[in-house]
Amino acid sequence: EAQVTQNPRYLITVTGKKLTVTCSQNMNHEYMSWYRQDPGLGLRQIYYSMNVEVTDKGDVPEGYKVSRKEKRNFPLILESPSPNQTSLYFCASSFRHRNNEQFFGPGTRLTVL
Amino acid sequence: ILNVEQSPQSLHVQEGDSTNFTCSFPSSNFYALHWYRWETAKSPEALFVMTLNGDEKKKGRISATLNTKEGYSYLYIKGSQPEDSATYLCAENNNAGNMLTFGGGTRLMVKP
Repeated sequence: EAQVTQNPRYLITVTGKKLTVTCSQNMNHEYMSWYRQDPGLGLRQIYYSMNVEVTDKGDVPEGYKVSRKEKRNFPLILESPSPNQTSLYFCASSFRHRNNEQFFGPGTRLTVL
Repeated sequence: ILNVEQSPQSLHVQEGDSTNFTCSFPSSNFYALHWYRWETAKSPEALFVMTLNGDEKKKGRISATLNTKEGYSYLYIKGSQPEDSATYLCAENNNAGNMLTFGGGTRLMVKP
């Protein structure tokens, strides 16, 4: 089944404890992206990747890191999480960029205490 | 401030009603306009991606139009059903980069 998977789905952590949210797609998509969703602010793009070893900042990259060492994986790293990073996070992928529809993962609900 | 704006923020209709909502976006440097349907507790799912001025797309009872010169897109739902209840998101790609900018969404609730 073609899909985007994210792990974990739910995470409660404490300020400053490094964490990684994994994202994997099995559709051979070139473009992958991370979004966060906060009430009243819509989906905001954190980072995106056009292809392996190519990553770029989105609207809200501060406090996040990403890597794209393999085409299928695009992990989101929070080196020192803070409470303002409490949010619902979505990973998405598309065949290419821009005018290709995005396929979204199931979401990761993160709470930073 | 969102460059991509959607109205209304929420909408309550009766089953069988037809409805429409608006997505406004900057018309300069336009590249593509996306519509997504997002049900509660699920992930957003793509409805349409449109690129050309005057584009019209249809999927079942849902259709969309695009005006790139004035910077708006309409999403229409004909004969709304309770299962159409969801948040409808639009998003714009522009020529300035490879980002996708989302609007705040329109939350539709269809009463049986």
